[in-house]
Amino acid sequence: DIQMTQSPSSVSASAGDRVTITCRASQTITRNLNWYQHRPGKAPKLLIYSASSLQSGVPSRVSGTGSATHFTLTISYLQPEDSAIYYCQQANSFPFTFGGGTKVEIK
Amino acid sequence: QVHLQESGPGLVKPSETLSLTCTVSGGSVSSSSFYWAWIRQSPGKGLEWIGSSYYTGTTHYKPSLKSRITISVDSSKNQFSLSLNSVTAADTAVYYCARHSGSAAGGMDVWGQGTTVTVS
Repeated sequence: DIQMTQSPSSVSASAGDRVTITCRASQTITRNLNWYQHRPGKAPKLLIYSASSLQSGVPSRVSGTGSATHFTLTISYLQPEDSAIYYCQQANSFPFTFGGGTKVEIK
Repeated sequence: QVHLQESGPGLVKPSETLSLTCTVSGGSVSSSSFYWAWIRQSPGKGLEWIGSSYYTGTTHYKPSLKSRITISVDSSKNQFSLSLNSVTAADTAVYYCARHSGSAAGGMDVWGQGTTVTVS
């Protein structure tokens, strides 16, 4: 299985700040990497697919970069509604695997 | 707009079988473009993909669950289902159904609201 490692496990930032989350794969997954936002009590929401493509309806202050084994998710101009856990997920091969998650807290 | 809705018992006894159904509306489970998946989140843990099925019957499962799990698609009812046998407390989780692209280039773009299953 491909292991996905996210860092940091949690981050606290103020509204208007920028946060960056890193995801590393245990082997190359080219650009087959997706990012999700998961708020408590809600269904996860796809933010970014194929490493850098913005899912329809997601604000442009959310962006993704990377390839091979190193990927980042950046949220600019942090808003209160961005408080959530963010997960990366590799879709390069079955079994799909998720990163451990990064909790983003708004101060 | 495609909508997914999970249904099934919220309480299952240890050693018995957990059975959940995901009803698809606004789209077809027979679409050649998508797989239909189950993902779970155990208390205090992260998201865990447990398996996916294509309308042809092709399935992919999490290896550690492969001996206990069946995911199937019912085109006549526009539903897909999860069956997990010999459950233990470790299978207690919120279970989500979701759709994902048949190619690697695309994420799980539609999710159900989730259903809580307790094994006790």
